[in-house]
Amino acid sequence: NAGVTQTPKFRILKIGQSMTLQCTQDMNHNYMYWYRQDPGMGLKLIYYSVGAGITDKGEVPNGYNVSRSTTEDFPLRLELAAPSQTSVYFCASSYSPAGSGSPLHFGNGTRLTVT
Amino acid sequence: RKEVEQDPGPFNVPEGATVAFNCTYSNSASQSFFWYRQDCRKEPKLLMSVYSSGNEDGRFTAQLNRASQYISLLIRDSKLSDSATYLCVVNFNDYKLSFGAGTTVTVRA
Repeated sequence: NAGVTQTPKFRILKIGQSMTLQCTQDMNHNYMYWYRQDPGMGLKLIYYSVGAGITDKGEVPNGYNVSRSTTEDFPLRLELAAPSQTSVYFCASSYSPAGSGSPLHFGNGTRLTVT
Repeated sequence: RKEVEQDPGPFNVPEGATVAFNCTYSNSASQSFFWYRQDCRKEPKLLMSVYSSGNEDGRFTAQLNRASQYISLLIRDSKLSDSATYLCVVNFNDYKLSFGAGTTVTVRA
């Protein structure tokens, strides 16, 4: 049981480049989330999904896009990388809505640097 | 005002000591409360949920004070392995959780 798997672990992008952060989970969770974590700050929600085909914006969605074609996969797309997107990105999933009390299962994170 | 505020620490304590710290939250409608643990350069992991009546899990005790809008975490008999950053997490709505920036605890031999 792998849980939540994120790839890549590290990436360096040049300004204006694009990339996709991959996230897959094998727990059959309907709810999936993308967070970013900046030094000295709490995790911020970028996008979330309540099931295949349904996504919604979180607190900091600008500059990102997501899709959810299957229950397992929830990729995050950066279209035009900017230095402000330098961060650690975490994908997470939960059995029930996170706010209802269901614990989040996090992936190992992706450290992204934009220069 | 931040949704969740924590003392960043660090709290440096010797093995065997007791350490306690709080976090405050701004949304009086919040219903779900958690402590997550995050090791250096790792992902957060759920330590424990926090219930209205307070709860214990081994050496860890969590308390909730709704009137003053804070939750606390107490670690008894600290171990070296307890060194980590502890994230206070509160629900904002059904899907959004508000994360504190974390309290760092370092347990020394």
